[in-house]
Amino acid sequence: EAEVAQSPRYKITEKSQAVAFWCDPISGHATLYWYRQILGQGPELLVQFQDESVVDDSQLPKDRFSAERLKGVDSTLKIQPAELGDSAMYLCASSSGGRGAYEQYFGPGTRLTVT
Amino acid sequence: GDSVTQMEGPVTLSEEAFLTINCTYTATGYPSLFWYVQYPGEGLQLLLKATKADDKGSNKGFEATYRKETTSFHLEKGSVQVSDSAVYFCALIRDSSYKLIFGSGTRLLVRP
Repeated sequence: EAEVAQSPRYKITEKSQAVAFWCDPISGHATLYWYRQILGQGPELLVQFQDESVVDDSQLPKDRFSAERLKGVDSTLKIQPAELGDSAMYLCASSSGGRGAYEQYFGPGTRLTVT
Repeated sequence: GDSVTQMEGPVTLSEEAFLTINCTYTATGYPSLFWYVQYPGEGLQLLLKATKADDKGSNKGFEATYRKETTSFHLEKGSVQVSDSAVYFCALIRDSSYKLIFGSGTRLLVRP
């Protein structure tokens, strides 16, 4: 069964360092999402891609976060510099896109701890 | 704006008990509704969905009915198992945005 892959699964970094997360969506899925899930809360969308284009990044803190999906397949989310408040689970999801294709499939996530 | 409200947890039940987790929503138009489940240390798995009023989503013994008149999508299961222990998230998506809006999650703990 096809799955969304993410790496690393866990990351510990010091405040002010740079950190990057990688996501490989299900093959053929045009839409890719990055969500942030703070402990005890539901996930919140950071950025949404349709193929290689950003569709929604309104909740992405652009002074320190960046995301790219250069060839419309896999994606990287970067934080520079990391802050203590960035400690969270970062989830990647993908969907086939298009009207009526609402189902999003999630990867296992990357648990980030900033010390 | 759009929002989802879930009952606060944790919900603690004995095995084979009946489960209800309440979920209500606020949204313009006619959203699609979902329940996702998250096991410890893992990502989210889609449990069930309903895309229009009066639809009933079901999977693995769980059910939820889309009630437009009460803007609700309560999750139910007739007999829970220890393996059902997890966090359950109610979510909606509006046709125009494709962005999932999640509730804050409800932790379920089932004791043997």
